[in-house]
Amino acid sequence: GENVEQHPSTLSVQEGDSAVIKCTYSDSASNYFPWYKQELGKRPQLIIDIRSNVGEKKDQRIAVTLNKTAKHFSLHITETQPEDSAVYFCAARSLDDKIIFGKGTRLHILP
Amino acid sequence: ETGVTQTPRHLVMGMTNKKSLKCEQHLGHNAMYWYKQSAKKPLELMFVYSLEERVENNSVPSRFSPECPNSSHLFLHLHTLQPEDSALYLCASSSGTGAYGYTFGSGTRLTVV
Repeated sequence: GENVEQHPSTLSVQEGDSAVIKCTYSDSASNYFPWYKQELGKRPQLIIDIRSNVGEKKDQRIAVTLNKTAKHFSLHITETQPEDSAVYFCAARSLDDKIIFGKGTRLHILP
Repeated sequence: ETGVTQTPRHLVMGMTNKKSLKCEQHLGHNAMYWYKQSAKKPLELMFVYSLEERVENNSVPSRFSPECPNSSHLFLHLHTLQPEDSALYLCASSSGTGAYGYTFGSGTRLTVV
């Protein structure tokens, strides 16, 4: 089955700087890669996703890149703001529609 | 609200109690999921229901018993739980076609005493 590894587990960046979170997956048949943001005490919410036929997708300050050959994908947040502080989860969905999550990255935005 | 509602929000139960968690979605989705979120395993898939049939069990202990009476409702029946079962239990739904990700409910914070 699919296995998703996520790094780092904790990340601290200065406000205004960029943050990058990286994930790898094991199942080459996986074709959909969502990213979720979970603020303290709240539910995970989908913030951006990418399909396997696309190499990069951007939405304002967040972008996701996918390298199918290497089976890794990354989340990039530019010009970070205090409200970006949260836990971020990457995930991969294989052909059986099951979504497997990484272990999460706790992002701290430092003032 | 995202269209996925979970009740109760908080639950404290003794190890000999029987309780149920409820999830309801109004998004027209045909797949529903139970996840357990704890410090050890941040998002651990427990059960998957697609078109009201259970398609994934993931070796969850029998003290957790899911029920999906229709495509809009999902229950998790709990009995004789252990303290290590204390966690946030999240329900999610999806279109099941694989077009989009999940929509999560707010979760039930369960404490077993």
